Amino acid sequence: AQSVAQPEDQVNVAEGNPLTVKCTYSVSGNPYLFWYVQYPNRGLQFLLKYITGDNLVKGSYGFEAEFNKSQTSFHLKKPSALVSDSALYFCAVRDIHSGNTPLVFGKGTRLSVIA
Amino acid sequence: EPEVTQTPSHQVTQMGQEVILRCVPISNHLYFYWYRQILGQKVEFLVSFYNNEISEKSEIFDDQFSVERPDGSNFTLKIRSTKLEDSAMYFCASRGFGGGRNPAASNEQFFGPGTRLTVL
Repeated sequence: AQSVAQPEDQVNVAEGNPLTVKCTYSVSGNPYLFWYVQYPNRGLQFLLKYITGDNLVKGSYGFEAEFNKSQTSFHLKKPSALVSDSALYFCAVRDIHSGNTPLVFGKGTRLSVIA
Repeated sequence: EPEVTQTPSHQVTQMGQEVILRCVPISNHLYFYWYRQILGQKVEFLVSFYNNEISEKSEIFDDQFSVERPDGSNFTLKIRSTKLEDSAMYFCASRGFGGGRNPAASNEQFFGPGTRLTVL
């Protein structure tokens, strides 16, 4: 069975500082990995994905994530946080060999960037 | 840029009533999904749909739920007799075909803005 763990409910960071939102996953095969962001009263917006290739993936709004197979992690990072990055972030996984199986989401991490 | 749309944005209903949540997926997508998010909790999968039939469903998706793609564009979720615990944000998602020579193509699911269902 697939699962995703986001160990932090809340991450606080000062504006301009680097941020990391952690995610670890478990799948039976190779993973497709995704990060989505949810702003208040809004839907889920796709940020970035890892399918294959380079372990460092760059996405929208200056975010990037690093796929680490040995640690089964896909942490989301940004070199310099903005107040507007404050939102709820979800990591999600899907097994590449599983046909049309759905995404499995983590419980989300609330990022708060303080000016 | 194409996007998934959902209507209504907010639905208020009485317990026991039927509701239909509507979604218009991205036009060339082939896979369709419904997820829900109870307030303050994580996003949970309900059902996936491909080739005019359900391909997978979760334990949440019991006999009170049904999905339909009646006209090739809309994708609906019906709850026959709503319960208080059905109150949640319901998200529709669609995905193109990713595979073959370009597995990276269209693997992400595109989500609609959600319908907030409130059952009183």
